[in-house]
Amino acid sequence: EVQLVESGGGLVKPGSSLKLSCVASGFTFSSYGMHWIRQAPKKGLEWIALIYYDSSNKYYADSVKGRFTISRDNSKNTLYLEMNSLRSEDTAMYYCAKYVTAHGFAYWGQGTLVTVSS
Amino acid sequence: DIQMTQSPASLSASLGETVTIECRASEDIYNGLAWYQQKPGKSPQLLIYNANSLHTGVPSRFSGSGSGTQYSLKINSLQSEDVASYFCQQYYDYPFTFGSGTKLEIK
Repeated sequence: EVQLVESGGGLVKPGSSLKLSCVASGFTFSSYGMHWIRQAPKKGLEWIALIYYDSSNKYYADSVKGRFTISRDNSKNTLYLEMNSLRSEDTAMYYCAKYVTAHGFAYWGQGTLVTVSS
Repeated sequence: DIQMTQSPASLSASLGETVTIECRASEDIYNGLAWYQQKPGKSPQLLIYNANSLHTGVPSRFSGSGSGTQYSLKINSLQSEDVASYFCQQYYDYPFTFGSGTKLEIK
């Protein structure tokens, strides 16, 4: 059974940094690209980052480009999202998700909440 | 970026009714479309992929259709457990983009 478990969220002040983690199990993590998606309170879903299975390519939404960094450690089956220069508009539930080719996001974690407030 | 316009924003229907949610892409996405259901306090769950294929374990009262830029999700025989928000998402091109969502309530 595929499981994705995020952690690392919390309450931080504007301008600060935070690093999220997502531990994967139930599939060969090192064979799949992985994504981060966020959802602001009572809002819609926003895709924010993708990393290829071997970290050879990374893509970001314009809203986070230059501030967020996606990475992975295949030896630990773990996906990361390092977030710098946080703003109030980054307040959201952050999900890691596994995309299945031509199927969409078939697997989601339970999410970790990031709140940016002074 | 491909914009996804979803309607209606909210919907209220009676048990047993059929409801339809629409999604329009700003350009042809060649059936690269998924629908998700999100219940309050939970993560989104995949319902439909490739515009009209039912994901494993999803009840057959859910169906998807469409092509080009116009897509729809239909729920037949509405059940109380269908109360949720529904989102469309295109995966034809990066960045992947989502519709703004439809909140479905029971009358």
